[in-house]
Amino acid sequence: DAKTTQPPSMDCAEGRAANLPCNHSTISGNEYVYWYRQIHSQGPQYIIHGLKNNETNEMASLIITEDRKSSTLILPHATLRDTAVYYCIVTSGGGADGLTFGKGTHLIIQP
Amino acid sequence: EPEVTQTPSHQVTQMGQEVILRCVPISNHLYFYWYRQILGQKVEFLVSFYNNEISEKSEIFDDQFSVERPDGSNFTLKIRSTKLEDSAMYFCATGKRNEQFFGPGTRLTVL
Repeated sequence: DAKTTQPPSMDCAEGRAANLPCNHSTISGNEYVYWYRQIHSQGPQYIIHGLKNNETNEMASLIITEDRKSSTLILPHATLRDTAVYYCIVTSGGGADGLTFGKGTHLIIQP
Repeated sequence: EPEVTQTPSHQVTQMGQEVILRCVPISNHLYFYWYRQILGQKVEFLVSFYNNEISEKSEIFDDQFSVERPDGSNFTLKIRSTKLEDSAMYFCATGKRNEQFFGPGTRLTVL
């Protein structure tokens, strides 16, 4: 799986959009970009994933650059409950593949 | 919304004892996983299970560990002879293909 690089921490004001960057310059053609988050020692929670097109669901939007070497997770209206560690994971996405978690970005939503 | 459940939530055991951690997957999921997270460290993949056999395992998953689905519903992780360094939060995850849904975890404390 390709390596990812994320900032260790970020702050965002409540109600504003939180934009979390991820670099994955060694991503290969068949690898997806996945985002998970972990709220204070709970089990990680799936957020969104994409291959090359931008994706949106009820939780977030995922913007992948045209060269696929980086991506941005967008939480459109951050709330205090969005405070968590966010993980960007690149994987081929086969069902049996284990996920390789890095250190992620600790996003702190400020009131 | 269906959830992955894990029992017990907290297990305390003596070094050298066997422990079995249990997981009830979401009913129509086909893939099953175990991860662990030592306090303050990254989430680490242990093993994936599909079609009643191990699909992938990490270097952590040595002969002390085993997994099974004894009754076609529960998914268990057995540690045969626990060591102090096995103290961690153990997360079960289940999925259909592209997403993994994590349980709340079992905190294992080895004394």
